Amino acid sequence: GENVEQHPSTLSVQEGDSAVIKCTYSDSASNYFPWYKQELGKGPQLIIDIRSNVGEKKDQRIAVTLNKTAKHFSLHITETQPEDSAVYFCAASSRYIPTFGRGTSLIVHP
Amino acid sequence: SAVISQKPSRDICQRGTSLTIQCQVDSQVTMMFWYRQQPGQSLTLIATANQGSEATYESGFVIDKFPISRPNLTFSTLTVSNMSPEDSSIYLCSVQRQGAYNEQFFGPGTRLTVL
Repeated sequence: GENVEQHPSTLSVQEGDSAVIKCTYSDSASNYFPWYKQELGKGPQLIIDIRSNVGEKKDQRIAVTLNKTAKHFSLHITETQPEDSAVYFCAASSRYIPTFGRGTSLIVHP
Repeated sequence: SAVISQKPSRDICQRGTSLTIQCQVDSQVTMMFWYRQQPGQSLTLIATANQGSEATYESGFVIDKFPISRPNLTFSTLTVSNMSPEDSSIYLCSVQRQGAYNEQFFGPGTRLTVL
């Protein structure tokens, strides 16, 4: 089955800095890669996703990149703000059920 | 996206008792799932809730412990039976819509504490 590794487990940045979270996956059949943001006491929220026919996707301060050859994908957050503080999960799927990474706790210091 | 509600949002229960969690979606969806998230951990799939038939359970989860119902395309329940402190966790309902290319949305979760 699919195995998703996510790094780092904790990321601490100053407000205004950039943050990068990286994930690798094992199943070459995976073709959909969503990212979720989970704030304290809430369910995970889908914030951006990328499909295997695309190498990069951007939405305001958030961007995702995908390297299918190397089987890794990354989330980039620019100009971080305190409200970006949350746990971020990457996932990879080839059919209906994604496999999730272990999560990255992002802390943005004002 | 889909608007998903769960009841209750949190509960504290005694060991040996059972709790039923409800999940309601604002539109018809093809797939509904139940996840468990233990404190500080990732998301673990318990089962896929199938409309009108038995749920499909993942390895390590059994119907006797986690019975699931899905009577229609917008509603499902998960029961946590004969609870022990190890069942203390967040339980999340999740849905996929037809043609949504695997986009999956989560409910707000039910935070369960078993004493």
